[in-house]
Amino acid sequence: QSVLTQPPSVSAAPGQKVTISCSGSSSNIGNNYVSWYQQLPGSAPKLLIYDNNNRPSGIPDRFSGSKSGTSATLGITGLQTGDEADYYCGTWDSSLIAGVFGGGTKLTVL
Amino acid sequence: QVQLVDSGGGVVQPGRSLRLSCAASGFTFSSYAMHWVRQAPGKGLEWVAVISYDGNYKYYADSVKGRFTISRDNSKNTLFLQMNSLRAEDTAVYYCASARTTVTVKPPLDYWGQGTLVTVSS
Repeated sequence: QSVLTQPPSVSAAPGQKVTISCSGSSSNIGNNYVSWYQQLPGSAPKLLIYDNNNRPSGIPDRFSGSKSGTSATLGITGLQTGDEADYYCGTWDSSLIAGVFGGGTKLTVL
Repeated sequence: QVQLVDSGGGVVQPGRSLRLSCAASGFTFSSYAMHWVRQAPGKGLEWVAVISYDGNYKYYADSVKGRFTISRDNSKNTLFLQMNSLRAEDTAVYYCASARTTVTVKPPLDYWGQGTLVTVSS
């Protein structure tokens, strides 16, 4: 049981938009920055979004992040088959004094 | 370019020990906190531990507290994870990852190693 809650899977057609939610509490998302990671099949995770809504260099602006209260959302527009991957949200939990991840969401581009 | 190379994984019996290493290059290793994250087969990411840039602060997941020890050698740009009293549920790919900023031990995790597989089995 993960501290952060994500839907197990989402799907959409190529070219469409999808959002992935991440729900937490005041001890984690509510008072810390959220980051998002993309894990392609057979690969290590890669940082996609940091500090709620910032993209590292090289990440296309099709990827966006937002946060409101104790929830965060990853948005992906103009879906491509290459976006098929597992996506994880992560943050720090100030009560646990530990890093925490969501359970991951598998994105299928139909 | 930044490179993190994980090593030290293998098959180990329950109750035994193993030490993982992560060799860093391409950035000022001594300025950044470093994390270990693991992923059991077919499962999601689980945060394991973090160490501050100078080694003075260390935090652990409850699942490994008292059994695992994170450490670093800044003179050799290397991160370690000493794993004792291993259990079957510790079976996972272990990734090292660097913090993105120099000012905190908190995520985000900027760069990741390729991972090293630890299998705990008799």
